[in-house]
Amino acid sequence: DVKVTQSSRYLVKRTGEKVFLECVQDMDHENMFWYRQDPGLGLRLIYFSYDVKMKEKGDIPEGYSVSREKKERFSLILESASTNQTSMYLCASSFGGPYGYTFGSGTRLTIV
Amino acid sequence: GENVEQHPSTLSVQEGDSAVIKCTYSDSASNYFPWYKQELGKRPQLIIDIRSNVGEKKDQRIAVTLNKTAKHFSLHITETQPEDSAVYFCAASRGAAGNKLTFGGGTRVLVKP
Repeated sequence: DVKVTQSSRYLVKRTGEKVFLECVQDMDHENMFWYRQDPGLGLRLIYFSYDVKMKEKGDIPEGYSVSREKKERFSLILESASTNQTSMYLCASSFGGPYGYTFGSGTRLTIV
Repeated sequence: GENVEQHPSTLSVQEGDSAVIKCTYSDSASNYFPWYKQELGKRPQLIIDIRSNVGEKKDQRIAVTLNKTAKHFSLHITETQPEDSAVYFCAASRGAAGNKLTFGGGTRVLVKP
């Protein structure tokens, strides 16, 4: 009963490439979030969206952009991938605000 | 913005003993404090949360306490079992629609049989 789906579990891309990470939720949630997870740093918020076509910067938005054209889909874009963007990327959604996040399984992205 | 610090970063306990993880937050307007558990290779999942109008909350072997004056909150796991081995994250938020969670750095808990 997977409710938040991330398109890739593992991804290897080259430096300078434009990279798209996709996230789809089937719970009709208003809010969607992109976090990156690094050892010792926890989960850091990149971008979030509380409505279709709306987006807000998180704590570390540099080098990233997002797109939310439909309620169920939230895409993270690495404009020009760099090695310091190698990380685990987690998508989450919630019905309202910070309550009851449902996370995806994560995408482990390696930039070479 | 909010800043959440979590300690310790790793915790090793003997099966049956208790484990305590502590977090501090910086934003005095934060009023919602959840804890997430992430087992190896799996997604984080909410295990317990507390709101600022409550000082303590229990759910079977886990409990969370909140000290608003000191701006810290803690997770207590009693009678630890091997299946408690995981990474635990605390988080804080202002709790209103349009707001998001700020997470701590995580604690890796290992329960030794």
